Amino acid sequence: AQTVTQSQPEMSVQEAETVTLSCTYDTSESDYYLFWYKQPPSRQMILVIRQEAYKQQNATENRFSVNFQKAAKSFSLKISDSQLGDAAMYFCAYKRNTGNQFYFGTGTSLTVIP
Amino acid sequence: NAGVTQTPKFQVLKTGQSMTLQCAQDMNHNSMYWYRQDPGMGLRLIYYSASEGTTDKGEVPNGYNVSRLNKREFSLRLESAAPSQTSVYFCASSRDIKIYEQYFGPGTRLTVT
Repeated sequence: AQTVTQSQPEMSVQEAETVTLSCTYDTSESDYYLFWYKQPPSRQMILVIRQEAYKQQNATENRFSVNFQKAAKSFSLKISDSQLGDAAMYFCAYKRNTGNQFYFGTGTSLTVIP
Repeated sequence: NAGVTQTPKFQVLKTGQSMTLQCAQDMNHNSMYWYRQDPGMGLRLIYYSASEGTTDKGEVPNGYNVSRLNKREFSLRLESAAPSQTSVYFCASSRDIKIYEQYFGPGTRLTVT
């Protein structure tokens, strides 16, 4: 079974600084997708960024970027120039290309300190 | 364009009561999903519907039933609620079962006493 591990239950960052959230996953597949979702206090899950496993280039969306290490099965999220609105729970998720199911990690709660 | 909507937002049930959680999407998506979120456990898939007329079990289907009423609507039913079903329930949709983005509703907080 696929598992997704987020080893940091809580993280904090000073406003305008950079923070990296960790995620590792376990799979025997070679073709899959990885995602980071943000869940603010409103509870609504919002897609932050996605990465296709066949792409070597790390995905980037504005201040959000990933460090995808396929051999190490690692998928970390870097948030640059952190803003107060970045405070939220962040979930890492995995989806096999041929499967229907997403597998989510347990989340990292990010606090942004003004 | 409301995206994915869920009703109700909050619900308290007594053990043994039944209820249906409603979900609707206006994005013309083919696939819809129900998750539950528990502290320290992330999101777990209960049921999903790859397309109108089909439903399949996810990781934790016991105690639940679903209905894909039409392309827009996907309901989750608890026939006999148990305290273990106290959770936050999320509905999500995606354009296709193979297309990776899932769009989530705001969630329903359910408490079973």
